[in-house]
Amino acid sequence: DAGITQSPRYKITETGRQVTLMCHQTWSHSYMFWYRQDLGHGLRLIYYSAAADITDKGEVPDGYVVSRSKTENFPLTLESATRSQTSVYFCASKPVSSGMHTDTQYFGPGTRLTVL
Amino acid sequence: AQSVAQPEDQVNVAEGNPLTVKCTYSVSGNPYLFWYVQYPNRGLQFLLKYITGDNLVKGSYGFEAEFNKSQTSFHLKKPSALVSDSALYFCAVSGNNRKLIWGLGTSLAVNP
Repeated sequence: DAGITQSPRYKITETGRQVTLMCHQTWSHSYMFWYRQDLGHGLRLIYYSAAADITDKGEVPDGYVVSRSKTENFPLTLESATRSQTSVYFCASKPVSSGMHTDTQYFGPGTRLTVL
Repeated sequence: AQSVAQPEDQVNVAEGNPLTVKCTYSVSGNPYLFWYVQYPNRGLQFLLKYITGDNLVKGSYGFEAEFNKSQTSFHLKKPSALVSDSALYFCAVSGNNRKLIWGLGTSLAVNP
């Protein structure tokens, strides 16, 4: 049971390039989330999805695009990468429950992205 | 505005001693409180949560946390620290608006 996986684990890219980070979960969880983790900022929510074809902005969505055509996948795309997007990105999922933000989330191992 | 604070960037404790990692919060309505742990180069793992009921919550790896409504705190504790407990600990809280807010994290170092 792989759980939740992210790929690639490490990525170096250049300013202006498009980058897609992949997230895949095997639990059929309804909710999926993308966070970025930066020193001094903790975890910040970029986008989330309540189900396939339903996505919504989080705290810091600018410069990012998401899609969710299948329940198990939630890719995050940086359309034109900037140095400020250098960060560690975490995907998370959770099953449907009484409240979107009130239940345990399960995190992937993270993708360390460097934008030169 | 809703907020969560982890007042200590780093906590150092000797192996075998009790440890406390502090968390205070400010939310509207009844809070939902969580602790997660992050080991080096890993994703976050759920430790425990308080939704309702007994103020003392027991979680994974021998950790526990006490919800204190009057002090708006949810400190993480363990009676006897292990070197393997060394990690980054995050407190998170959700209130009436059901948005989860994360603390900045506290780095715990347990010295042998």
